[in-house]
Amino acid sequence: DTEVTQTPKHLVMGMTNKKSLKCEQHMGHRAMYWYKQKAKKPPELMFVYSYEKLSINESVPSRFSPECPNSSLLNLHLHALQPEDSALYLCASRQGSGNTIYFGEGSWLTVV
Amino acid sequence: GIQVEQSPPDLILQEGANSTLRCNFSDSVNNLQWFHQNPWGQLINLFYIPSGTKQNGRLSATTVATERYSLLYISSSQTTDSGVYFCAVDSGGSNYKLTFGKGTLLTVNP
Repeated sequence: DTEVTQTPKHLVMGMTNKKSLKCEQHMGHRAMYWYKQKAKKPPELMFVYSYEKLSINESVPSRFSPECPNSSLLNLHLHALQPEDSALYLCASRQGSGNTIYFGEGSWLTVV
Repeated sequence: GIQVEQSPPDLILQEGANSTLRCNFSDSVNNLQWFHQNPWGQLINLFYIPSGTKQNGRLSATTVATERYSLLYISSSQTTDSGVYFCAVDSGGSNYKLTFGKGTLLTVNP
């Protein structure tokens, strides 16, 4: 099983809403990632969790709040987003640095 | 950090043609992967290839780590090969950051 599952697939939210994106993997991977991708651009790293601890935060605005409740789950809490935050949000996982990384299908977020 | 350059940025082919995509990177790497992103946004693993040559059906890849480049070959292209092809690398060790190139947009016309 090389599956990373993301929910929801599509999300439309207002600028005052609070919502969450969820990601799950059961491959025993110790590193989990959130990437943001805008149209016609490569994925842009947001956060990395290693052994359930935040190891990389690429200077992401505080309106994005990651959480790693356990080794299989990764959440991205969204609050007071702006329309320019509309994008494809990708979750990924891998065993460790230097190993194959696996991506979920992504969550398409639209902020209105 | 590591710099990754992909070429060409855009490529248009007729069905049945062959193509070569290139990925140059600025430093030694422990991981290099090729992905295909389909029109629905899904990033599909094609190859994990920090060095050497691999083949999977009509696709093959070669990484020459000492010269810091990788090539992805697509033979007998099909319309379903259309999409964006990304190369991504990391330097391993305690650095978990995976850096993507800007991608090659491939369009295969029937």
